[in-house]
Amino acid sequence: ETGVTQTPRHLVMGMTNKKSLKCEQHLGHNAMYWYKQSAKKPLELMFVYSLEERVENNSVPSRFSPECPNSSHLFLHLHTLQPEDSALYLCASSLAGLAGGEQFFGPGTRLTVL
Amino acid sequence: SQKIEQNSEALNIQEGKTATLTCNYTNYSPAYLQWYRQDPGRGPVFLLLIRENEKEKRKERLKVTFDTTLKQSLFHITASQPADSATYLCALALNAGNMLTFGGGTRLMVKP
Repeated sequence: ETGVTQTPRHLVMGMTNKKSLKCEQHLGHNAMYWYKQSAKKPLELMFVYSLEERVENNSVPSRFSPECPNSSHLFLHLHTLQPEDSALYLCASSLAGLAGGEQFFGPGTRLTVL
Repeated sequence: SQKIEQNSEALNIQEGKTATLTCNYTNYSPAYLQWYRQDPGRGPVFLLLIRENEKEKRKERLKVTFDTTLKQSLFHITASQPADSATYLCALALNAGNMLTFGGGTRLMVKP
């Protein structure tokens, strides 16, 4: 399998549930990102991991908890979400330190919070 | 405040014509500007990167210009095709790091 994969592709959860989104990249990259894409709004950067260390946490509520166990895998743990958290969650990867380097995106997880 | 503005209205053009999309920004001094294409239900795909000291970049039917005085980038698709129909996003990188800030995107519809 090549590129950036995300699972699940679709997720429906209640506000009291706990779930996790998974991202895996097969490109040999060492920087990974979580973005949120809501309808009518630009892509919002949530978290950045570079060389497996979190380097950016863009004022994201604590009900979102990222985990990067190695340079190929990234998780987003979700708990006690709100309906306004319903969105497309995109994972991306790139080469850390490559100036202006392009990012490679996965297909996203469409999350619906009831 | 910092803003990246792309025309939120869809751009409709006839096949074979040149599509021109605009990205304007305020209160940024980007080192790089990138353009991505996004199809419905899919992640964005990188198209082109242009550096602050470059005026123009080309790739096949695509051309990007970058005017740091006007704080504007233009994205052109020549000889447009229905398969070019998608949403196009511009993104700014403020420094040599990896973080991008995206505009809201412009939807392009190319009619046969």
